[in-house]
Amino acid sequence: DQQVKQNSPSLSVQEGRISILNCDYTNSMFDYFLWYKKYPAEGPTFLISISSIKDKNEDGRFTVFLNKSAKHLSLHIVPSQPGDSAVYFCAASLSGSARQLTFGSGTQLTVLP
Amino acid sequence: NAGVTQTPKFRVLKTGQSMTLLCAQDMNHEYMYWYRQDPGMGLRLIHYSVGEGTTAKGEVPDGYNVSRLKKQNFLLGLESAAPSQTSVYFCASSWSYYGYTFGSGTRLTVV
Repeated sequence: DQQVKQNSPSLSVQEGRISILNCDYTNSMFDYFLWYKKYPAEGPTFLISISSIKDKNEDGRFTVFLNKSAKHLSLHIVPSQPGDSAVYFCAASLSGSARQLTFGSGTQLTVLP
Repeated sequence: NAGVTQTPKFRVLKTGQSMTLLCAQDMNHEYMYWYRQDPGMGLRLIHYSVGEGTTAKGEVPDGYNVSRLKKQNFLLGLESAAPSQTSVYFCASSWSYYGYTFGSGTRLTVV
């Protein structure tokens, strides 16, 4: 049973428009959420994160929103650029000594020029 | 800055063969992890280590063993490879929950 779900395997948007990637989770004990970006033949790289005590975090063109009551988070990319085309993984962490991350299945974002 | 280095990058094994994947990090991180990535499944944790000499099971540990004899190295072993272990394997290290650094992956095919 997947505790972190990304229900959209793929998303296409036009360059300059907004990209919205969604993620749902089932475990209410998760206290930290992250987004990773992955290009082909490379490892995932950290993009942005949010603590469960916040509902929004911004970093340049990237904003993550957290809705704890709905157990839902989203990543907004504005404006989208062709270089943003990649697989985006949502991840969640439980408090604890090892801080293992539980990942979603990923969403392939394609930004069309 | 090398970061996290995985060797080999590609490997083809026959069913029943054994092999070891090596992960090396030069950031003095305490925590290290092995994940596998399969289509539609995301990344799933195989084993992890919270420090030199320690290891623990993750979500999908069966068929794998690990060792962390030195802080900078985390080895993943397959004793008797099976086709179900065909996957892309990623090693990561971290000093905190937002400090994961991943290697570039090992693509393993078991025939």
